[in-house]
Amino acid sequence: AQTVTQSQPEMSVQEAETVTLSCTYDTSESDYYLFWYKQPPSRQMILVIRQEAYKQQNATENRFSVNFQKAAKSFSLKISDSQLGDAAMYFCAYRSAVETSGSRLTFGEGTQLTVNP
Amino acid sequence: EAGVTQSPTHLIKTRGQQATLRCSPISGHTSVYWYQQALGLGLQFLLWYDEGEERNRGNFPPRFSGRQFPNYSSELNVNALELEDSALYLCASSWSRAVTDTQYFGPGTRLTVL
Repeated sequence: AQTVTQSQPEMSVQEAETVTLSCTYDTSESDYYLFWYKQPPSRQMILVIRQEAYKQQNATENRFSVNFQKAAKSFSLKISDSQLGDAAMYFCAYRSAVETSGSRLTFGEGTQLTVNP
Repeated sequence: EAGVTQSPTHLIKTRGQQATLRCSPISGHTSVYWYQQALGLGLQFLLWYDEGEERNRGNFPPRFSGRQFPNYSSELNVNALELEDSALYLCASSWSRAVTDTQYFGPGTRLTVL
């Protein structure tokens, strides 16, 4: 079974600064997908960024980028120019490329990000 | 385009009762997923429905069940409620069952069992 670990329960960053959230995972599969979701106080889970394991290039979405290290099974999220609206719980998630087992997302424990003005 | 919607927003039940939670996927999406977010247990996969059929379920007892209707909306039923069933229940939908399709989440239903 796959596991996802987020070792930072809480992080804080000053507005306009850069912060990196860590995520490691364990799998024996070679093909899979990794995601970062954010969950603000409204509780709605919002997709931030997604990475396909077969792609060597790190995904980027505006101020959000990832550092995907497949051999190390590491998938960190970098938020540049942090904004007050980035404050949320961030979840790292894994999804298998195998159809049946790939239906589920396996989530990490989450990292609560605080953005200080 | 409307996102995933869930109802009710909050639900309060007592032990032993049954709870019914509802989810409407994004228009055109055929797959619906249910997750439980319980305090201290994190987010756990519950059930997956696609094209009206249950395709996969997580490590939950049979009193957690559901169905998917012809319009692809879905219902989660929790029978014989226990205190530990108190949680936020999140529904997600995707365009199809393909693993390449992203899951989009609804705002959740907060179930409280007294």
